[in-house]
Amino acid sequence: QLRLLESGPGLVKPSETLSLICAVSGGSISSGPYSWAWVRQPPGKGLEWIGSIHYTGNTYFNPSLKSRLTLAVDASKNHFSLNLSSVTAADSAVYYCARQVHYNSPYYFDYWGQGSQVTVSS
Amino acid sequence: DIVMTQSPDSLAVSLGERATINCKSSQTVLYDPINKNFLGWYQQRPGQPPKLLISWASTRESGVPERFSGSGSGTDFTLTITSLQAEDVALYYCQQYYTIPLTFGGGTKVEIK
Repeated sequence: QLRLLESGPGLVKPSETLSLICAVSGGSISSGPYSWAWVRQPPGKGLEWIGSIHYTGNTYFNPSLKSRLTLAVDASKNHFSLNLSSVTAADSAVYYCARQVHYNSPYYFDYWGQGSQVTVSS
Repeated sequence: DIVMTQSPDSLAVSLGERATINCKSSQTVLYDPINKNFLGWYQQRPGQPPKLLISWASTRESGVPERFSGSGSGTDFTLTITSLQAEDVALYYCQQYYTIPLTFGGGTKVEIK
């Protein structure tokens, strides 16, 4: 059974960089028609796709976040990561990592992590 | 960006009755060359991550009860829960994967009447 587990600081100061890692177990990050994604959910609100990365390194970003976003894959550790720079309170959310079915672009999300609460506050 | 609009925002249905959730996209998500709608549906129970129910507008995922079904094409889609069960209390989201950025509907909350 595939499992995804997010980790990272729960509190980040404004203007700093939010960093999260998603560890994948029960399957290889380098196999199959999949990409690896981040989705966030502000308190009491809906879902926002942040971006996705294929194990080949191809990245797909939400244009609204692209200028602040870095995604990476480490196949040797079977994990992928998110860095979001210059955060503000509007970036406070539960951050989910997820696997996406991927053919010529990322499609739907078939496995999700439990989520990591991140609060931006001084 | 493709805007996904769900209706209603919430609905209350008696146990055993039908729940119908609508999702409308601001432009088509039907890819004609393969005749597939690039649309998925998710269920999010309280305190849980979303769970994929349906892909390609109408393909139920393995293990998803048959009371969940998806229909529609082009810009108008429906998720139907026949015979609502207590465990179906949740938020439901549609998502288009026709184009980047991937976008979700605002969600529909299903409760028991």
